[in-house]
Amino acid sequence: NAGVTQTPKFQVLKTGQSMTLQCAQDMNHNSMYWYRQDPGMGLRLIYYSASEGTTDKGEVPNGYNVSRLNKREFSLRLESAAPSQTSVYFCASSLKGRTEAFFGQGTRLTVV
Amino acid sequence: AQTVTQSQPEMSVQEAETVTLSCTYDTSESDYYLFWYKQPPSRQMILVIRQEAYKQQNATENRFSVNFQKAAKSFSLKISDSQLGDAAMYFCASFAGGTSYGKLTFGQGTILTVHP
Repeated sequence: NAGVTQTPKFQVLKTGQSMTLQCAQDMNHNSMYWYRQDPGMGLRLIYYSASEGTTDKGEVPNGYNVSRLNKREFSLRLESAAPSQTSVYFCASSLKGRTEAFFGQGTRLTVV
Repeated sequence: AQTVTQSQPEMSVQEAETVTLSCTYDTSESDYYLFWYKQPPSRQMILVIRQEAYKQQNATENRFSVNFQKAAKSFSLKISDSQLGDAAMYFCASFAGGTSYGKLTFGQGTILTVHP
């Protein structure tokens, strides 16, 4: 039972490079989320998808795009990475938002 | 707008003692849910306790309980008989129903240290 799987676990990018963080869940959850975690800032919501076919901006969407590819997968894309995007990124899912959210193991991204 | 504020960056407690972590929130929704999550050094996020806003009774889970003050928009977590394994970062979170349906917002986190 894999739960929420994020890839990659670690990544180093040069400024201006692009990349996509992948997230997949096998729990048939409706809602999916992308967060970034920075020291002293907690978990900040980047984008979320309340259900398949919908996506909405969170608190810090600038510089990111998302795709809810199907019910299982929710990817996060950095088109032109900046050092300010150095962070730990978490994907999460929940059956319904009011129920428990399950998190992936996180991706540590460094932009140099 | 939906915000969650944790004003205590760090807290400490002696083993077997009781500690309370503070959280305030703001939401325009009448339908919402509140959570406390624990994040140990492994970075795994673990649900500690959950509260439905429409319920007046405070949620409890073994040694963990909340003090939910709806009018004050306050949602504190009390840990009784603290154990070394309780040491972690704790996050307060809110989920909005209504017009902001689907948004799950977290606070800044509180680092809890447990002294033997």
